[in-house]
Amino acid sequence: QSALTQPRSVSGSPGHSVTISCTGTSSDVGYYNYVSWYQHHPGKAPKLLIYDVSERPSGVPDRFSGSKSGNTASLTISGLQAEDEADYYCCSYAGTYTWVFGGGTKLTVL
Amino acid sequence: EVQLVESGGGVVRPGGSLRLSCAASGFIFDDYGMSWVRQAPGKGLEWVSGINWNSGNTGYVDSVKGRFTISRDNAKNSLYLQMNSLRAEDTALYYCARWGPAYSSSRNWFAPWGQGTLVTVSS
Repeated sequence: QSALTQPRSVSGSPGHSVTISCTGTSSDVGYYNYVSWYQHHPGKAPKLLIYDVSERPSGVPDRFSGSKSGNTASLTISGLQAEDEADYYCCSYAGTYTWVFGGGTKLTVL
Repeated sequence: EVQLVESGGGVVRPGGSLRLSCAASGFIFDDYGMSWVRQAPGKGLEWVSGINWNSGNTGYVDSVKGRFTISRDNAKNSLYLQMNSLRAEDTALYYCARWGPAYSSSRNWFAPWGQGTLVTVSS
């Protein structure tokens, strides 16, 4: 049950794109297509952005997209906006009714 | 409106116990599994425990196994976390979060989340 590995911080200019990686193992990210991503503004409840690797819940802009290759999942945010500045977390199902989160990535919009 | 409201947090001494509750509304509670996720001060999110719709299956992060017990009362639309033998490292904001629907093949995600209840373990 080790945390998934994410970069501590990423940054990008408005209108540009950033990609956040999330590296796990062959027992979680690599085994299950159950990676989800969350946006967390401090003081607010986390918000689901992506589920099942690349699916977007209704209401989430298509600027947010997800993918996976092997043991690494990725979240790409295109057309960066000021309100995208937040912490982002990946999460993977790890079997037997357990989940594991990434350490979180702080996105700064320059 | 789907809503999750946590309660029961507070200050407790090391070795003490606390019971968290999460009141659910706006959806058919027993159609969904539920989880507790915590965030220690200055740290990231950590999944703590989960329970399926009928309490038939539960899971825990290794660090709380044997100390924490998750349960639910579908008649009261409520989720609980009994926390015993608390340690300083259990200090965190505890969120309850809903899984995807049990009747769907897509349920391994968390939405929505509550606002959290703060647990502080300190002497």
